[in-house]
Amino acid sequence: DTGVSQNPRHKITKRGQNVTFRCDPISEHNRLYWYRQTLGQGPEFLTYFQNEAQLEKSRLLSDRFSAERPKGSFSTLEIQRTEQGDSAMYLCASSRGTGGEQFFGPGTRLTVL
Amino acid sequence: AQSVAQPEDQVNVAEGNPLTVKCTYSVSGNPYLFWYVQYPNRGLQFLLKYITGDNLVKGSYGFEAEFNKSQTSFHLKKPSALVSDSALYFCAVRDGTASGGSYIPTFGRGTSLIVHP
Repeated sequence: DTGVSQNPRHKITKRGQNVTFRCDPISEHNRLYWYRQTLGQGPEFLTYFQNEAQLEKSRLLSDRFSAERPKGSFSTLEIQRTEQGDSAMYLCASSRGTGGEQFFGPGTRLTVL
Repeated sequence: AQSVAQPEDQVNVAEGNPLTVKCTYSVSGNPYLFWYVQYPNRGLQFLLKYITGDNLVKGSYGFEAEFNKSQTSFHLKKPSALVSDSALYFCAVRDGTASGGSYIPTFGRGTSLIVHP
């Protein structure tokens, strides 16, 4: 048990609908990351928070994607107007310190029909 | 820019035999290197890391990895494989340079390790 939780674990939605995922990091970790993972690939970076500040976004993060981390605690990732290409596993991870390894949650598997 | 190559999609080994999962990297600054393991329908679990110091790093579940700067490699090893080691293994690198470094790692595509009884 890594201590990072994600909800929901599975989400099935129809194309065009909006979805929101939640990540609760390990409480003392100040950095929080979102990744997307598709079959046969490693995690691809989406965005990163240090405390409540969103510091970097990947070019993968189109304007349909938005992420927040209010008060530097939990984070949400919203996808608007979902497309079939958004189907993937969405992973959240947290870390602390300058050399810190990341602790991953179990992921949210999104299926867009 | 930083990148990771895991040249083998799959590694097969018999239980009790030594195993090696290969990883080479490219990074402009100081390499911070990581290995993670992923079991089916689970998130990634940290195994070990190299930041500085001894080139041979020991981690969880009897795994170790050797940092080789000249070959830009960080191969994962275990002296005696277990069937329960069967999983996906990911190597990751990030630039650990104090100024201008990045806290964002780049992951390889992963190597599926299959340990046969």
